[in-house]
Amino acid sequence: AQSVTQPDIHITVSEGASLELRCNYSYGATPYLFWYVQSPGQGLQLLLKYFSGDTLVQGIKGFEAEFKRSQSSFNLRKPSVHWSDAAEYFCAVGARAGNMLTFGGGTRLMVKP
Amino acid sequence: DGGITQSPKYLFRKEGQNVTLSCEQNLNHDAMYWYRQDPGQGLRLIYYSQIVNDFQKGDIAEGYSVSREKKESFPLTVTSAQKNPTAFYLCASSTDWNTEAFFGQGTRLTVV
Repeated sequence: AQSVTQPDIHITVSEGASLELRCNYSYGATPYLFWYVQSPGQGLQLLLKYFSGDTLVQGIKGFEAEFKRSQSSFNLRKPSVHWSDAAEYFCAVGARAGNMLTFGGGTRLMVKP
Repeated sequence: DGGITQSPKYLFRKEGQNVTLSCEQNLNHDAMYWYRQDPGQGLRLIYYSQIVNDFQKGDIAEGYSVSREKKESFPLTVTSAQKNPTAFYLCASSTDWNTEAFFGQGTRLTVV
């Protein structure tokens, strides 16, 4: 069975600082990987996805993520955080034989002025 | 505009009552999903449907029921058998196998 772990429940960074959110997955083959962002009381918006090819994936809002097969990781990064990035971030894995997503527990990002 | 519409945004239910959450999409997606979100637990899959008139249980289907009579609609009924129904419910859809899911804005259900 596939699973996703986001080790950090809360992260606080200063505005303008760099950000890395961790995601580790468990899956028997090459997975489909996603990062979503959720503002309070809202649905989820897709930030980026990895299906195949280049392991460094660019997304919206200046985010990127790197797929590392050897570490079973898909960490999300942003070079300079903006106050509007404060939200909850979810990593998800999807099986190639179906598109039911398994989500991590989420990381809540707070941004200090 | 294409998208997924969930209604209502907030819903209050008395204990022992059934309640139905609406989910409609105009994206022409075949697959639709219901997730439940609780603080600190991420999203858990309740039911999913890959095609009209067919649906499958997810990880936490007990106390819930669904129907898929139309491609555009996938309503979720929270029955009185659901022991702890207070949560945020998210509906999603996707085009076919192996693509990302698009989400509605959610319905917050509170049992009073």
